[in-house]
Amino acid sequence: AQSVAQPEDQVNVAEGNPLTVKCTYSVSGNPYLFWYVQYPNRGLQFLLKYITGDNLVKGSYGFEAEFNKSQTSFHLKKPSALVSDSALYFCAVRDINQAGTALIFGKGTTLSVSS
Amino acid sequence: GAVVSQHPSWVICKSGTSVKIECRSLDFQATTMFWYRQFPKQSLMLMATSNEGSKATYEQGVEKDKFLINHASLTLSTLTVTSAHPEDSSFYICSPDPPTGGATEAFFGQGTRLTVV
Repeated sequence: AQSVAQPEDQVNVAEGNPLTVKCTYSVSGNPYLFWYVQYPNRGLQFLLKYITGDNLVKGSYGFEAEFNKSQTSFHLKKPSALVSDSALYFCAVRDINQAGTALIFGKGTTLSVSS
Repeated sequence: GAVVSQHPSWVICKSGTSVKIECRSLDFQATTMFWYRQFPKQSLMLMATSNEGSKATYEQGVEKDKFLINHASLTLSTLTVTSAHPEDSSFYICSPDPPTGGATEAFFGQGTRLTVV
């Protein structure tokens, strides 16, 4: 069975500092991995994805994520946090052998960036 | 990204009434539509998968008679919450399955905040 774990309910960082939001996954085959951001009472916005190739993936708004197969992780990072980055972040996975199935989401991590 | 139009954005209804939520895929034809439910500060939980021209598939624990799904066309799916009760209050989000395969990112409607009073 597929699953995603986001071990932190909340991450607090000061503006200008680097941020990391953690994600680990479990799939039977190879994964497609995604990060989404959600602002209050809004749908999810796509940030970035890992499909294949370079383990370091760059996405929207200066975010990046590193795929680590041995650790089954896909942590989201940003070198310098902004207050406007404060939101709810979701990691999601899909097994590449299960196209047409819904994404499996982690429980979400609330990122709070203080000025 | 692909445009997904979901209406209404929010709705307040009286207990016992029904509410219909529409989801339109504006950029591509969606054979499959996923419906999610989200409680405050929690993850998205898949409720059901609707397929154009056939019956929806519901996840375990989701009452198919309460949450009626109709996938009338390749661009429109509706979720009707029948005889709503306060415990049905939640945030509902739709997501059409892109036809280009599993590597394509999913896109989501803006969500519907349902409050049953």
